[in-house]
Amino acid sequence: EDKVVQSPLSLVVHEGDTVTLNCSYEVTNFRSLLWYKQEKKAPTFLFMLTSSGIEKKSGRLSSILDKKELSSILNITATQTGDSAIYLCAGSTVGNYKLTFGKGTLLTVNP
Amino acid sequence: NAGVMQNPRHLVRRRGQEARLRCSPMKGHSHVYWYRQLPEEGLKFMVYLQKENIIDESGMPKERFSAEFPKEGPSILRIQQVVRGDSAAYFCASSPITSQETQYFGPGTRLLVL
Repeated sequence: EDKVVQSPLSLVVHEGDTVTLNCSYEVTNFRSLLWYKQEKKAPTFLFMLTSSGIEKKSGRLSSILDKKELSSILNITATQTGDSAIYLCAGSTVGNYKLTFGKGTLLTVNP
Repeated sequence: NAGVMQNPRHLVRRRGQEARLRCSPMKGHSHVYWYRQLPEEGLKFMVYLQKENIIDESGMPKERFSAEFPKEGPSILRIQQVVRGDSAAYFCASSPITSQETQYFGPGTRLLVL
């Protein structure tokens, strides 16, 4: 059965800190790795990573995929209270594109 | 551009009743996915549909659950004879044909079975 594991499960930091969230995957016929941010509503798409070693950036967020290690990291620099959310990682499958999600990392950024 | 729309946002049902959850994909998206999020659990894939076709329903419980995406109108997830264990958040996502794994999620329907 496909599996995605995220760590840590929760993290509390102060504004301005830099955080690294981890994701490892075991997905048969793996196609890509996706990151989402979930606040109280819909998961919001952040990144999709298909190629190993190529960093994707969006403002203070960046992410990279390591296909050899079957893992990905999400970095957030200069954290703000608005970054507080659950960050979800998911692997997609060739053919049917279904996403296998991890349980998420709950990030709390205190002022 | 309106995002993925789901209604109702909250639904309360008594055991044995039927629940109908609706999802309108983003404009131009022809692929719909349903996921369930149980308390303390991650999002779990249920079913993948295109217009008038079920592509993959490997995550759907074998009984009481069904899904459709008709030629006209929203996608419907139907749960018959609900039980307390069906209480969860049900999310719909849609994707464009050009990038099917880039799925955009709706706000979800929170189903509570009393």
